[in-house]
Amino acid sequence: AQSVSQHNHHVILSEAASLELGCNYSYGGTVNLFWYVQYPGQHLQLLLKYFSGDPLVKGIKGFEAEFIKSKFSFNLRKPSVQWSDTAEYFCAVNNNAGNMLTFGGGTRLMVKP
Amino acid sequence: EAGVAQSPRYKIIEKRQSVAFWCNPISGHATLYWYQQILGQGPKLLIQFQNNGVVDDSQLPKDRFSAERLKGVDSTLKIQPAKLEDSAVYLCASSLSRNEKLFFGSGTQLSVL
Repeated sequence: AQSVSQHNHHVILSEAASLELGCNYSYGGTVNLFWYVQYPGQHLQLLLKYFSGDPLVKGIKGFEAEFIKSKFSFNLRKPSVQWSDTAEYFCAVNNNAGNMLTFGGGTRLMVKP
Repeated sequence: EAGVAQSPRYKIIEKRQSVAFWCNPISGHATLYWYQQILGQGPKLLIQFQNNGVVDDSQLPKDRFSAERLKGVDSTLKIQPAKLEDSAVYLCASSLSRNEKLFFGSGTQLSVL
């Protein structure tokens, strides 16, 4: 069974600071990787996904993530955060058949204005 | 486009009672998921349906939890009997197919006293 680890549970940044959230997964086969975000009072929604090809993927709102196969990692980055990025971020992985989407524990990001 | 509908929004029951949750996915979405999210943790997959068939239910506590998706549209998740540790938000999500992005409902917040 796959598992996902997010090392930072809480992150506090000032506006314009750079962001990197760590995500590591454990699975023996080919995986698809995702970042979901939950803004306060809203549903979980997809930020970006990686299936194959260029390991650097770009998502909405200026976010990007890099898949490093050798490290089993899929870290999320943003060069300059805004107050509106305050949310909880979840890394997720499923197997190549598209089954069993497994989420990490989440990282709560607070951006101070 | 209508989103994923869930009801009820909140439910308070005593331990050993039964409870049922209902989900109406986005029209045309073949894949339906039920997740359990305990406070402070990431969503945990309970069951995944593809149309009206079960794709994965390996993490569903089958001695007390059951789920069905009759006619491949609406779904219900039942807990009988409930335990204190079942207190959580139960999220329903749907997607066009297995590797498409998930659309989440608002969830049902269950408190077991």
